[in-house]
Amino acid sequence: GGIITQTPKFLIGQEGQKLTLKCQQNFNHDTMYWYRQDSGKGLRLIYYSITENDLQKGDLSEGYDASREKKSSFSLTVTSAQKNEMAVFLCASSINWGGYAEQFFGPGTRLTVL
Amino acid sequence: GDSVTQTEGQVALSEEDFLTIHCNYSASGYPALFWYVQYPGEGPQFLFRASRDKEKGSSRGFEATYNKETTSFHLQKASVQESDSAVYYCALGDPATGGNNKLTFGQGTVLSVIP
Repeated sequence: GGIITQTPKFLIGQEGQKLTLKCQQNFNHDTMYWYRQDSGKGLRLIYYSITENDLQKGDLSEGYDASREKKSSFSLTVTSAQKNEMAVFLCASSINWGGYAEQFFGPGTRLTVL
Repeated sequence: GDSVTQTEGQVALSEEDFLTIHCNYSASGYPALFWYVQYPGEGPQFLFRASRDKEKGSSRGFEATYNKETTSFHLQKASVQESDSAVYYCALGDPATGGNNKLTFGQGTVLSVIP
C-alpha cells in the first residue's frame, strides 16, 4: 500500500498572491496529476506528469504552473489568486500513464481567496 | 469532445433502499468507463471499471453494466447502508487519445443515506 500526502490542508490567500500546493506519494508511481474540484462541476485536470521529467498541460492549466521535483513529488502553483475563489485541489498518482490504470487520490487542499 | 452526464445531483435514501445513479456518456468508439467514490474529507477512490459493451463492473456491492446502445453506465446497489453516504463520480477514458489515463469526470452525485 501507499499514501498521498498533500500540504497544506487549508490555504487562505489574498487576491493576486502566488500560492504553492505540494503533493508527495510513496507508491513509487510514475504518473502524477493535479485536479481542481468545484461543487457541481466534477474533477477537471490541471496538469499531469507522465514520468519524473515530464510535464503536460491539462484542460484547465491557464493560471497555474506545475513542477515535478522528483518521482515522488509534484507541486502546483496558482500564479495569481482570484478574489473569492474557492476550490479543492486534488493530487493523484497512478502506476503508469497507459491501460486506464487506477488513480489514487490525496485528501485535497482547500483554497480560499479573500 | 467527450462528456459524462450524471442525471442526479443529489439522492436521498433510507437504509436498505435500492440505489440507482444514472450516468450517460458521449464519446467516439469504445471508451473505458469508471466509477469513483469520495467519502467526506477524503479524495476519490476507484470503485471499478468496464471497457467493453455488456461488461459488468462491480465492487463492495455496487455494480454497473456498460451499455453501448444507450451510452450508459448506471451505478446500482441493492441495499444501501448509512456508510455508503458519499459523492459518486462517473468517468470515461477515451481510447482515441491512446488508452491513457486522461479521464473525463461527471459532475458527481451526492448520496445521503438516512438510518
